[in-house]
Amino acid sequence: QVRLQESGPGLVKPSQTLSLTCTVSGDSISGGRSYWTWIRQPAGKTLEWIGRVYTSGTATYNPSLKSRVTISVDASTNQFSLEMTSVTAADTAVYYCAREKGMDSSGSYAYYFDYWSQGILVTVSS
Amino acid sequence: DIVLTQSPDSLAVSLGERATINCKSSQSLFYSINNKDYLAWYQQKPGQPPKLLISWASTRESGVPDRFSGSGSGTDFTLTISSPQAEDVAVYYCQQYYATPWTFGQGTKVEIE
Repeated sequence: QVRLQESGPGLVKPSQTLSLTCTVSGDSISGGRSYWTWIRQPAGKTLEWIGRVYTSGTATYNPSLKSRVTISVDASTNQFSLEMTSVTAADTAVYYCAREKGMDSSGSYAYYFDYWSQGILVTVSS
Repeated sequence: DIVLTQSPDSLAVSLGERATINCKSSQSLFYSINNKDYLAWYQQKPGQPPKLLISWASTRESGVPDRFSGSGSGTDFTLTISSPQAEDVAVYYCQQYYATPWTFGQGTKVEIE
């Protein structure tokens, strides 16, 4: 069973950097079958895809956040991480890490999210 | 970005009454090379992460009850709960994976009367 667990501070001051780490178990990031992604959800709102990283370290970002976001991977520890700079109150949200399935049994690349972490609430406040 | 618009925003149904949620895309999600629609449906219960129900517009995930079904192609999609149960109270989201940035609909809240 694939499990993802995020960790990091639940409170970040405005203008500072938000840093979260996701630890994966039950699958190997270095296996190269999937992408590893961050998604957030402000209270009462819909989900927003932040970006993803592949085992090679190649990352793709949502253009709306690209200037402030870095997603990196550490295959040796089976973890991937999110850094978001210059945060404001608008960045307050539950942050999820998730697996993008990758190639499925039909041979097509499937970029839906089949495993999710429980989510961590990050509040931006002084 | 591809915009997904769900309707209705909320839905109250009686136990056993069919529930229908629509998702309209601002552009086609159909990829002719593999004849697939790049759309997924998720269920999110309060305090929980989303759970994948359906991929490729109509393929039910393992373990998902068969009262959940997906249909549609191109720009118009539907999630149907044929006979909703109390445990189906949740917010349902569609998501497109045709082009980055991946995007979600605004969600439809399903309640049982």
